[in-house]
Amino acid sequence: DGGITQSPKYLFRKEGQNVTLSCEQNLNHDAMYWYRQDPGQGLRLIYYSQIVNDFQKGDIAEGYSVSREKKESFPLTVTSAQKNPTAFYLCASSKLAGGEQFFGPGTRLTVL
Amino acid sequence: AQRVTQPEKLLSVFKGAPVELKCNYSYSGSPELFWYVQYSRQRLQLLLRHISRESIKGFTADLNKGETSFHLKKPFAQEEDSAMYYCALGGSQGNLIFGKGTKLSVKP
Repeated sequence: DGGITQSPKYLFRKEGQNVTLSCEQNLNHDAMYWYRQDPGQGLRLIYYSQIVNDFQKGDIAEGYSVSREKKESFPLTVTSAQKNPTAFYLCASSKLAGGEQFFGPGTRLTVL
Repeated sequence: AQRVTQPEKLLSVFKGAPVELKCNYSYSGSPELFWYVQYSRQRLQLLLRHISRESIKGFTADLNKGETSFHLKKPFAQEEDSAMYYCALGGSQGNLIFGKGTKLSVKP
C-alpha cells in the first residue's frame, strides 16, 4: 500500500459539470494510467502516459481529458461530454511502460 | 486484435477443493501475461506474471501458447482466496488489457 494515492475517495457531480480526479505517485514511475471499472466490464483503459508531457488515448477516451505536467501527477478530468460518467476510477503507475502496474485505491464518481 | 477473455463471471468452490480460473488471450506477438487480484476493500494488486514463473499464495499459472491460455490454478482453495481475479495482457503500447474478471467464492 502507499506510493500511489487518489483523491477524493467519493465524488458527486451534477450533470453538465466538469470534475477532476487526482492521482499522485511517489514511486518515481515513468508511466501512469487511468482505468474505469464498471460491474461486469472489468477495467477499461481511458488514457495513459509513458513520460512527462506525453499521453495517449486508451479505449474509452471520449469525454475525458488528462495532463502530465509532472512525473508524479496524472489528473483526469471527466467532462460534461462523457455520457455515462458514474463509475469507479482507478489510477495506476509502472516503472516502465509494460511493467508491473501499481494501483491506487480508486475514486467513485456519482453523477446526480 | 488484442483481447483477453475470462469466460466465468463467478466461480464457487468449497474450501480444500481445486480451483482453476480460465483465461484466454488473443495477441499476435509474444505475449506478456499477468494475474491481478482484488480482495474485498483492498486495492487491485499483482498476483503473478508468467515471466517470473513464481507460485504466489499457492497459485500458479502456465502460459500455453498453443491454446493461447493462461489459466490460474490452485490445488486446495482457502476461504481467504475469495476475491475478484483479473487476467491481463501486456499491450503493444505498454498498457495492460484486462479481462472482465472472475469472482471466486470459496465456501467453508
